[in-house]
Amino acid sequence: DAGITQSPRHKVTETGTPVTLRCHQTENHRYMYWYRQDPGHGLRLIHYSYGVKDTDKGEVSDGYSVSRSKTEDFLLTLESATSSQTSVYFCAIRGSSYEQYFGPGTRLTVT
Amino acid sequence: DQQVKQNSPSLSVQEGRISILNCDYTNSMFDYFLWYKKYPAEGPTFLISISSIKDKNEDGRFTVFLNKSAKHLSLHIVPSQPGDSAVYFCAASWKRDDKIIFGKGTRLHILP
Repeated sequence: DAGITQSPRHKVTETGTPVTLRCHQTENHRYMYWYRQDPGHGLRLIHYSYGVKDTDKGEVSDGYSVSRSKTEDFLLTLESATSSQTSVYFCAIRGSSYEQYFGPGTRLTVT
Repeated sequence: DQQVKQNSPSLSVQEGRISILNCDYTNSMFDYFLWYKKYPAEGPTFLISISSIKDKNEDGRFTVFLNKSAKHLSLHIVPSQPGDSAVYFCAASWKRDDKIIFGKGTRLHILP
């Protein structure tokens, strides 16, 4: 158990509304990641962070922003949600040997 | 362009037999490879990894084989158990980078 929690676990929102997903870790890991999982696409990296206020884009970053104001929290924001952002979102931290450990996921539905 | 490919979307194996999941990669810079297991409604769980300096790594029922010349790795599960039914993701990285590239996954069904 890597001490990762995600909130909310489920959310339904309307197109055009802003949404923020939270990832919280308790073990002071430097690296944190946000992925989305969709059928036929596997896990795709949205954004990641390599320290407080240090972030970089991943493969599918358009329409998403992130913030990390303290080590334990990594926030993913959809500024104006679209139906194509309906997905399951996973947060992860990087362990000591480059492996990543994942949170339980957030299921987001945009109607 | 997919850098990590799992060409079998699904695989069915009899309980007690060997399950072999395959993965191919295209980027010769990759030097670290991982396998993850995922149950429905849960996050992926790290299973086993292998560095490019090795060709085999074993952990209990799970063994990963790496063939660098063929850019191919495989995960062997022996013996297969009902709890092994899940989606398995292959992933690759190079240690100088901060990111892991995942394949699309293979769904493994263990038949009674």
